[in-house]
Amino acid sequence: NAGVTQTPKFRILKIGQSMTLQCTQDMNHNYMYWYRQDPGMGLKLIYYSVGAGITDKGEVPNGYNVSRSTTEDFPLRLELAAPSQTSVYFCASSSGPRGTEAFFGQGTRLTVV
Amino acid sequence: AQTVTQSQPEMSVQEAETVTLSCTYDTSESDYYLFWYKQPPSRQMILVIRQEAYKQQNATENRFSVNFQKAAKSFSLKISDSQLGDAAMYFCAYRGTGNQFYFGTGTSLTVIP
Repeated sequence: NAGVTQTPKFRILKIGQSMTLQCTQDMNHNYMYWYRQDPGMGLKLIYYSVGAGITDKGEVPNGYNVSRSTTEDFPLRLELAAPSQTSVYFCASSSGPRGTEAFFGQGTRLTVV
Repeated sequence: AQTVTQSQPEMSVQEAETVTLSCTYDTSESDYYLFWYKQPPSRQMILVIRQEAYKQQNATENRFSVNFQKAAKSFSLKISDSQLGDAAMYFCAYRGTGNQFYFGTGTSLTVIP
């Protein structure tokens, strides 16, 4: 059982370039999340989804876009990369609301130069 | 939005000793869940323990236990018989009636041999 899989694990991007961070889960979870982790700042929610076709903004959505066409996949798109988007990105999923835990991917370290 | 505060950026403990990591949160909800996650150098986020706000009994998982004080909005993690493998970043998280997880800024735990 693979759980939550993120690709790539590392990426260097030039300012102004675009890229998509891939996230897929094989647990049939309805809830999926994208977080960014910066030193001393904890995890900040970028976008989340409660099911296929439904997405919503989190705390720091500017500069990012998402889509959720299937239950399994929740890609995060970065348009016009900026140095402020240098971070570690985590995708997570949860089977339901309230007490169900979040399962995390291994993260993507993105550097924008 | 809910806020989760971890006031100890760094902690250290001697191997085999006990350490307590602090977490406070702010909420007006009465029904919610609290979690502690461990993030070792591998970056993988691992659930350590969870607590339901309606349960008076403090959760315990082997060497990990919590001290949940609902009135004080406090949720500390106690690690007993600390081991070298416990060295990691620890995150406190809150999940209420909404769909989001809210994370603290983390506590970096060093275990001294």
